Amino acid sequence: QSVLTQPPSASGTPGQRVTISCSGSSSNIGSNTVNWYQQLPGTAPKLLIYTNNQRPSGVPDRFSGSKSGTSASLAISGLQSEDEADYYCAAWDDSLNVVFGGGTKLTVL
Amino acid sequence: QLQLQESGPGLVKPSETLSLTCTVSGGSISSNNDYWGWIRQPPGKGLEWIGTTYYSGSGSSHYNPSLKSRVTISVDTTRNQFSLKLSSVTAADTAVYYCARHDIVPRISDWFDPWGQGTLVTVSS
Repeated sequence: QSVLTQPPSASGTPGQRVTISCSGSSSNIGSNTVNWYQQLPGTAPKLLIYTNNQRPSGVPDRFSGSKSGTSASLAISGLQSEDEADYYCAAWDDSLNVVFGGGTKLTVL
Repeated sequence: QLQLQESGPGLVKPSETLSLTCTVSGGSISSNNDYWGWIRQPPGKGLEWIGTTYYSGSGSSHYNPSLKSRVTISVDTTRNQFSLKLSSVTAADTAVYYCARHDIVPRISDWFDPWGQGTLVTVSS
């Protein structure tokens, strides 16, 4: 059971906009920033969004993040086949612990 | 460009100690403000943070409370490496183990970037 809650799956067609939610509590998302990681099949996770809504160099602006209260969201616009991957949210928890969501498997139909 | 590479035995017996090393290239492990972390992923499951350490000083490590009694993370600045030791392993410790730089901006934010490619460790007799 993960501390942060994500839907296990999401899907969309090419060109569509998809959002993935991440729910936490006052001790993690409510008081700390959220990061998102993309894990393509058979590869290591890669930083996608940091500090709620910042994109590392090289990440397309199709990817965006937001946070409100104890929840966060990752939005992918103009969905492409290469976006098919697992997505994880993460945050620092005030119990001195980095916590992850259980991951969302995104399927491009 | 900073790169990380995990190495170590792929098979460990139950009750023994799992030992892995992460070699950092393209930069110094003793750079200011750089922390170094380990994360694992059981087959078919999600990510779990193991712990994070700073390159110098005792008491500079923070561990997942659920693993704290079994984990030690240390740094070897002469070899530009950091290591993970997990004692008394069981089948539940079977996972892909990743090392990563843990970027920490105190009281503001933190994130893992970049990550190593990961190494699968199986616990079995």
